[in-house]
Amino acid sequence: QVQLVESGGGVVQPGGSLRLSCTASGFTFNSYAMHWVRQAPGKGLEWVAIVRYDGSNKYYADSVKGRFTISRDNSKNTLYLQMNSLTTDDTAVYYCAKGTGRTEVYYFDYWGQGTLVTLSS
Amino acid sequence: QSALTQPASVSGSPGQSITISCTGTTRDVGLFDYVSWYQQHPGKAPKLMIYNVNKRPSGVSNRFSGSKSGNTASLTISGLQAEDESDYYCSSYTSGSTWVFGGGTKLAVL
Repeated sequence: QVQLVESGGGVVQPGGSLRLSCTASGFTFNSYAMHWVRQAPGKGLEWVAIVRYDGSNKYYADSVKGRFTISRDNSKNTLYLQMNSLTTDDTAVYYCAKGTGRTEVYYFDYWGQGTLVTLSS
Repeated sequence: QSALTQPASVSGSPGQSITISCTGTTRDVGLFDYVSWYQQHPGKAPKLMIYNVNKRPSGVSNRFSGSKSGNTASLTISGLQAEDESDYYCSSYTSGSTWVFGGGTKLAVL
């Protein structure tokens, strides 16, 4: 069965950096686009970024563009999110989600359980 | 990348039907038939309920259905059950090659 396990969350100071990981199993990782979606405490879902199946194209929400970088290592079945210049607005649970096709056009079906990122001085 | 517009809350009695709307623009909901709906219980990951406007994944009850007219998509739940009480989010692909979610709707089964 599809499993997505996020890690790397924690407490970080404003202005700091953090790298999240998402380890995938139960499907052919290198055949699907992958997403990051976040949810601030008590708030709704916010789409963050997507990377195509081969890492060739990446797209970002305006709120994170220029600060966050999505990437993947298909040899390790792992998705990453490098987050720089973090602000308190980035406090959220970060979910990775599996696309249903190779590109950004396809909806996402399976989600991980999320990892919490907390910005605090 | 403005969020899609959903009502903050809806409610219904067991056995009734409810509809949740999701309004976007000509750059997202109105342009593509790539609207999805997710159910999220407190503290849990979202679960896909509807994709591509009106398709149901295997395992999702046929009490859930989706539709779209112009810039507005809708999720209808018929024969409401207590277990349907949850938060619901719509999402859409956009002309910017990105995705956008609605603000979420809290469904109360009274």
